[in-house]
Amino acid sequence: AQSVAQPEDQVNVAEGNPLTVKCTYSVSGNPYLFWYVQYPNRGLQFLLKYITGDNLVKGSYGFEAEFNKSQTSFHLKKPSALVSDSALYFCAVRRGGGNTGKLIFGQGTTLQVKP
Amino acid sequence: DAGVIQSPRHEVTEMGQEVTLRCKPISGHDYLFWYRQTMMRGLELLIYFNNNVPIDDSGMPEDRFSAKMPNASFSTLKIQPSEPRDSAVYFCASSPTSPHTDTQYFGPGTRLTVL
Repeated sequence: AQSVAQPEDQVNVAEGNPLTVKCTYSVSGNPYLFWYVQYPNRGLQFLLKYITGDNLVKGSYGFEAEFNKSQTSFHLKKPSALVSDSALYFCAVRRGGGNTGKLIFGQGTTLQVKP
Repeated sequence: DAGVIQSPRHEVTEMGQEVTLRCKPISGHDYLFWYRQTMMRGLELLIYFNNNVPIDDSGMPEDRFSAKMPNASFSTLKIQPSEPRDSAVYFCASSPTSPHTDTQYFGPGTRLTVL
């Protein structure tokens, strides 16, 4: 069975500091991994994805994530946080191969960036 | 493109009433997903369609829920009769069919309150 874990309900960082939002996954075979962001009263927006290739993936708004197969992790990172990055972040996974299918989403991590 | 369109944005109804949520996916997208988001349960996939055909409805909570996709540009999620525990934000998302994409585009959501 596929699953995603986001171990932190909330992450607090000061503006200008680096941030990390953690995600671990469980899936048979090669994983497709995603990060989405949700701002208040909005739908989820795609940030970045890992399908294959370079383990370091760069996405929107200066975010990046590193795929670590041995640790089954896909942590989201940003070198310098902005107050406007404050939002709810979701990690998602599906088993690779085949056509588009359903994603399994984590429970979400609230990122709070303080000035 | 206007993105995924959902209507209504807000719905307040009384217990026992029928509720119909509507979704227009992005033109050319072959997959359509219905999600429900609550504080307690997070983001849950209810059902998804491929080329207007329901593929997986295992997330539909019970027989009171039904979803249809009569054509490529329109889908409905119906709750009959509605109950207070159905109060949630319901999201529709669509994605294209292509190897290695899987990016889902979410609508703004419908906030449903059942009194």
